[in-house]
Amino acid sequence: GNSVTQMEGPVTLSEEAFLTINCTYTATGYPSLFWYVQYPGEGLQLLLKATKADDKGSNKGFEATYRKETTSFHLEKGSVQVSDSAVYFCALSIAGGGSNYKLTFGKGTLLTVNP
Amino acid sequence: SQTIHQWPATLVQPVGSPLSLECTVEGTSNPNLYWYRQAAGRGLQLLFYSVGIGQISSEVPQNLSASRPQDRQFILSSKKLLLSDSGFYLCAWSPATEAFFGQGTRLTVV
Repeated sequence: GNSVTQMEGPVTLSEEAFLTINCTYTATGYPSLFWYVQYPGEGLQLLLKATKADDKGSNKGFEATYRKETTSFHLEKGSVQVSDSAVYFCALSIAGGGSNYKLTFGKGTLLTVNP
Repeated sequence: SQTIHQWPATLVQPVGSPLSLECTVEGTSNPNLYWYRQAAGRGLQLLFYSVGIGQISSEVPQNLSASRPQDRQFILSSKKLLLSDSGFYLCAWSPATEAFFGQGTRLTVV
């Protein structure tokens, strides 16, 4: 079946540090890949996505590149801020029956950024 | 633009009581709709999905059920809550490959 493995953390960084959160996947077929962010007490927000190999998704200074050869989609940011503190989820989607796509999530990585 | 509404935001219910959580989507038609549960370990578990009115697929057998009485309405229900039903419940809709989530309902069964 499909699965997503990401470093569970927690990850604690100082402001302006470099961030990497690793994510690898297994999937049948050609998945689309996503990073979602969840701030305390809220739902998940789509942070970025990539739909085919070598695509780079980017948003708010975060980037991730779809690497088919290593089945990875690592999240990076060059300089984190306190406001980036949240839980980050890596996810993939594969078409199910008809037009239905089902997301498979990693377990999430808690990031805490200290001033 | 599309928006998704989910309520209530928090709920405390006694064991054995019924449950009804509602989710509605605006600004789109015939969306795929999903219910997820997030337990204390932070992972998300897909509970139900629906590709149309009256069409419900269950991913995990459990004490919950779902219904889609209207195109943009998705309801999560239980006849008798268990302690193990506590968690953070998230509704989502999908236009294609990605999903967009509501703000969630924090359910505590006491």
